[in-house]
Amino acid sequence: GAVVSQHPSWVICKSGTSVKIECRSLDFQATTMFWYRQFPKQSLMLMATSNEGSKATYEQGVEKDKFLINHASLTLSTLTVTSAHPEDSSFYICSARDDRDGEGYTFGSGTRLTVV
Amino acid sequence: SQQGEEDPQALSIQEGENATMNCSYKTSINNLQWYRQNSGRGLVHLILIRSNEREKHSGRLRVTLDTSKKSSSLLITASRAADTASYFCATRGDTGGYNKLIFGAGTRLAVHP
Repeated sequence: GAVVSQHPSWVICKSGTSVKIECRSLDFQATTMFWYRQFPKQSLMLMATSNEGSKATYEQGVEKDKFLINHASLTLSTLTVTSAHPEDSSFYICSARDDRDGEGYTFGSGTRLTVV
Repeated sequence: SQQGEEDPQALSIQEGENATMNCSYKTSINNLQWYRQNSGRGLVHLILIRSNEREKHSGRLRVTLDTSKKSSSLLITASRAADTASYFCATRGDTGGYNKLIFGAGTRLAVHP
């Protein structure tokens, strides 16, 4: 089946530094990928839609300058949390939509970000 | 943005019992999907039901969809301890955009041996 690799699975960084999270579709192409954020015991909140070759579409209330998204190829999207603060600590999950199957969404295993 | 509510927020049952979770949504949809998430992990796709379908089965899972009430239910029959997880519904809209999935609040299911 379709597999999405998300890296790293966890990261601890200092306040003020930037962290990059990778989302890679391993066996399919994904023109569109999605980035979600999840706080403990809560649901997934969509942050942005990442589109290969064009700018990401951010959801209302999400700072695009803080959460930089780059979708450089049909198999890779990256999310960079810039100038991280403790309130950015969260679980970040990506999802890739298979170009061959409009209904196929595959999720990465998530990245636990802790900002100290 | 979140699509809607799920109830119950938490459900605790014994092995062998059935578990029913409900999901409501707000906008018109193309399809509705159910996912499972073990603590601190990614999501696993369980089942998809299209807007023109009313019921769907997959193993011990049964999903219903009522588009007039904008609601869906997930039934897990003969539950097992391994079913302990959080369950989320997610809707895909039927107009424009990039077909993003919007998630409900989720139900935390605990199945006790």
